[in-house]
Amino acid sequence: DQQVKQNSPSLSVQEGRISILNCDYTNSMFDYFLWYKKYPAEGPTFLISISSIKDKNEDGRFTVFLNKSAKHLSLHIVPSQPGDSAVYFCAANAGGTSYGKLTFGQGTILTVHP
Amino acid sequence: NAGVTQTPKFQVLKTGQSMTLQCAQDMNHEYMSWYRQDPGMGLRLIHYSVGAGITDQGEVPNGYNVSRSTTEDFPLRLLSAAPSQTSVYFCASSYSPGMSQAFFGQGTRLTVV
Repeated sequence: DQQVKQNSPSLSVQEGRISILNCDYTNSMFDYFLWYKKYPAEGPTFLISISSIKDKNEDGRFTVFLNKSAKHLSLHIVPSQPGDSAVYFCAANAGGTSYGKLTFGQGTILTVHP
Repeated sequence: NAGVTQTPKFQVLKTGQSMTLQCAQDMNHEYMSWYRQDPGMGLRLIHYSVGAGITDQGEVPNGYNVSRSTTEDFPLRLLSAAPSQTSVYFCASSYSPGMSQAFFGQGTRLTVV
């Protein structure tokens, strides 16, 4: 049972436009959400996170939105750059006894064309 | 500051062999974990640790053992390798219980034949 789902395996965007990556979750105990970016042959790197007490968090070109009622989060990248081309994973943590555990989605391959 | 170091980077095993994947971090992080990445599956948690001497199972623990005798090291042992364990393995560490800003190693690509 996939508790964190990224239903779009890939996304293609023109340089300078907005990239929107989506993620849905089913476990209502999740209270902390993260996005990681991964280049080929490298480990994932942390991008941005959001706590369930917020509905938006910004860091430069990256903004994460959380809709708790819909159990949905999204990552917006504005403006998109060719260097943003990578696999993006959303992840969630349930806190409490789940400290130290992350549940990941399947990933979305983002390609930004010059 | 090396971050999270995984060795080896590549390994080929025969079915039934055992081996240990090494993971070391130099950031004094309490939280460490092992994931495997398979096509279309994302990263799945194998085992994790919330501090030296404390480990627990993740989503896919069967066939793997871990121990955490020091804060720095978190080795993953494959007891009797099977082709289903062919995967890319990542070790991660974080100062945060929510695994915020977790640092990942570069991965170990394991093939079991």
